Amino acid sequence: NAGVMQNPRHLVRRRGQEARLRCSPMKGHSHVYWYRQLPEEGLKFMVYLQKENIIDESGMPKERFSAEFPKEGPSILRIQQVVRGDSAAYFCASSRQGGDQPQHFGDGTRLSIL
Amino acid sequence: GQQLNQSPQSMFIQEGEDVSMNCTSSSIFNTWLWYKQDPGEGPVLLIALYKAGELTSNGRLTAQFGITRKDSFLNISASIPSDVGIYFCAGVTGGGNKLTFGTGTQLKVEL
Repeated sequence: NAGVMQNPRHLVRRRGQEARLRCSPMKGHSHVYWYRQLPEEGLKFMVYLQKENIIDESGMPKERFSAEFPKEGPSILRIQQVVRGDSAAYFCASSRQGGDQPQHFGDGTRLSIL
Repeated sequence: GQQLNQSPQSMFIQEGEDVSMNCTSSSIFNTWLWYKQDPGEGPVLLIALYKAGELTSNGRLTAQFGITRKDSFLNISASIPSDVGIYFCAGVTGGGNKLTFGTGTQLKVEL
C-alpha cells in the first residue's frame, strides 16, 4: 500500500505485556506519523516524528505510550503494560516533507489484547 | 477539538450510478484530502486539494475544496463494484502536520 511497510500485521498481547509496532516509511520519506483507529471510526492522530526527533505528540496518551524514529531503522510505537482499551488498528503514514504534503499510509497493525 | 462530519454515513447504490458525498467542519482547513479504505487495509489517498474553490479530478473521481474552506465534496461517476469501501475526508490546518479525519462514508454497490 504505497510502499509504507508495517509489521506485524496482527499482534496479540495479554494485559500487562508490551507491544512494539514497527513502521518503515516509503523510500525518500523522512516524516512519519502514527494514527489509531477504533472499529467503525476514523483515524485519530497520535504522534509525528522526523528522523530522531518527535515533532508533535499531542495525540499520544500521557502514560505507557512512546514513539521513536531512529537514524537507522524503522519507526517504533511502543505500548507498555497494555490494557483492553488499547485494542485497535494502528496505522503509520509517511511523507517526503512535513506541512501539508500528502501522507501515504501502511496497512496497519491490528492489536488485540486478551 | 476539530471535528469533520461526513454525510451520508452510508449509501447503497446501483452499479453505474453517480455518487456524491460531502464533508463539513466548524473550523477552517488549508488542505483537504480524500482517502478510501478497504477492509483490513490502510487508507489510500485519492485526491488532494490545496486551494479554496479548487476542483480536481482523478479518473472517475472529482473533488472540490469549498470556498469557505470549511467543506469539501467528492463525486464518483459511473460507480463500479470495486468502489465499495469507506471514504474518509481529512483536513490539515495551516502549518500543521496532523490529519483530522472525518467520520467516514461507507459505500456499497449493488450489482
